[in-house]
Amino acid sequence: AQTVTQSQPEMSVQEAETVTLSCTYDTSENNYYLFWYKQPPSRQMILVIRQEAYKQQNATENRFSVNFQKAAKSFSLKISDSQLGDTAMYFCAFQGAQKLVFGQGTRLTINP
Amino acid sequence: DTGVSQDPRHKITKRGQNVTFRCDPISEHNRLYWYRQTLGQGPEFLTYFQNEAQLEKSRLLSDRFSAERPKGSFSTLEIQRTEQGDSAMYLCASSPPPYYNEQFFGPGTRLTVL
Repeated sequence: AQTVTQSQPEMSVQEAETVTLSCTYDTSENNYYLFWYKQPPSRQMILVIRQEAYKQQNATENRFSVNFQKAAKSFSLKISDSQLGDTAMYFCAFQGAQKLVFGQGTRLTINP
Repeated sequence: DTGVSQDPRHKITKRGQNVTFRCDPISEHNRLYWYRQTLGQGPEFLTYFQNEAQLEKSRLLSDRFSAERPKGSFSTLEIQRTEQGDSAMYLCASSPPPYYNEQFFGPGTRLTVL
């Protein structure tokens, strides 16, 4: 069974700083996807970034980028130039063939 | 294009009552998933459908829970004889073919069992 671990329950940074959220996972599968989802307070889950395991190049979406280390089963999210609107719960998730397996989440607060 | 919708958004019920939630996926998304999220935790998979076929159920889905997707469009999740431990956010997501490599989430139904 797959597991996803986020070891940072909470993080807090100042606006405009860079922050990195950590995630490790365990699987015996070779083909899979990894995701970071954002869940703002009382709002719905939205996709931040996706990484296909067969791609060596790290995914990037504007201010968001990942550091995907397949051998180490590590998948961290870097947020550059953080903004107040980035305040949310962030979930790392693994998908093999069908369902998503989520980590416990990291509560990120961006302070003005 | 409308997103995934869920109804109701909030439900308060007394222990022992039955409740039913509805999810309308994005059109042409033939995979539909249900997850449960308790406070401060990540969502946990409950079940998923491809068209009208229920292809996988989690062990979390006890015999008090049943899900249907009769025409391959909307889905319902019913909880019979609710217990206080059922209090959670119930999330629905849908995913488009052919790769199903992204799930789009609805706003969720928050259930409180008194």
